[in-house]
Amino acid sequence: ETGVTQTPRHLVMGMTNKKSLKCEQHLGHNAMYWYKQSAKKPLELMFVYSLEERVENNSVPSRFSPECPNSSHLFLHLHTLQPEDSALYLCASSQRTGGTEAFFGQGTRLTVV
Amino acid sequence: RKEVEQDPGPFNVPEGATVAFNCTYSNSASQSFFWYRQDCRKEPKLLMSVYSSGNEDGRFTAQLNRASQYISLLIRDSKLSDSATYLCVVNAPDTGRRALTFGSGTRLQVQP
Repeated sequence: ETGVTQTPRHLVMGMTNKKSLKCEQHLGHNAMYWYKQSAKKPLELMFVYSLEERVENNSVPSRFSPECPNSSHLFLHLHTLQPEDSALYLCASSQRTGGTEAFFGQGTRLTVV
Repeated sequence: RKEVEQDPGPFNVPEGATVAFNCTYSNSASQSFFWYRQDCRKEPKLLMSVYSSGNEDGRFTAQLNRASQYISLLIRDSKLSDSATYLCVVNAPDTGRRALTFGSGTRLQVQP
């Protein structure tokens, strides 16, 4: 059982759709992250939130829009995606940013058609 | 130079073998070190933290060499279930980066 829950687990969307990925952590952590992992590639950090404030944005296209309404919830809003955006999207949380171990959700496997 | 470098493998070893992975990091100010395990199409999971004095957890031993800036993971008596990709992870102080830095991983295949 994981302390970080992501929904949905699988998502297929068209390039004109709008969808949202949801992440919830039950660990009392103050930092949350979005990562992207394309097939057979390393993790790519997308966004970092600390106490609901976005503290890092790694040159992610504007078609990805994060939202962190409180320290337990993180969303990734998707619109007008491209097929190359198909990947595993992973949410993680940690006690704080900078050096503590991160715990991952099971991910959302996204396919853009 | 990459911030975290790992041999991608694959390391193909028979059951019962001992296998070791090394990882080098470029930031001499790094202070937090971890090994994660990632199964195919799954999320990374924390395997163990790496402490300055070295640490052991069952069949797994992690060591840190600050002078040479590398960390290692030793797996003894390999099991089929150890087959996975092992990710070396360090923090990046003094860079403004707030997240841990993940290596690309070393793939291990344990064969019967």
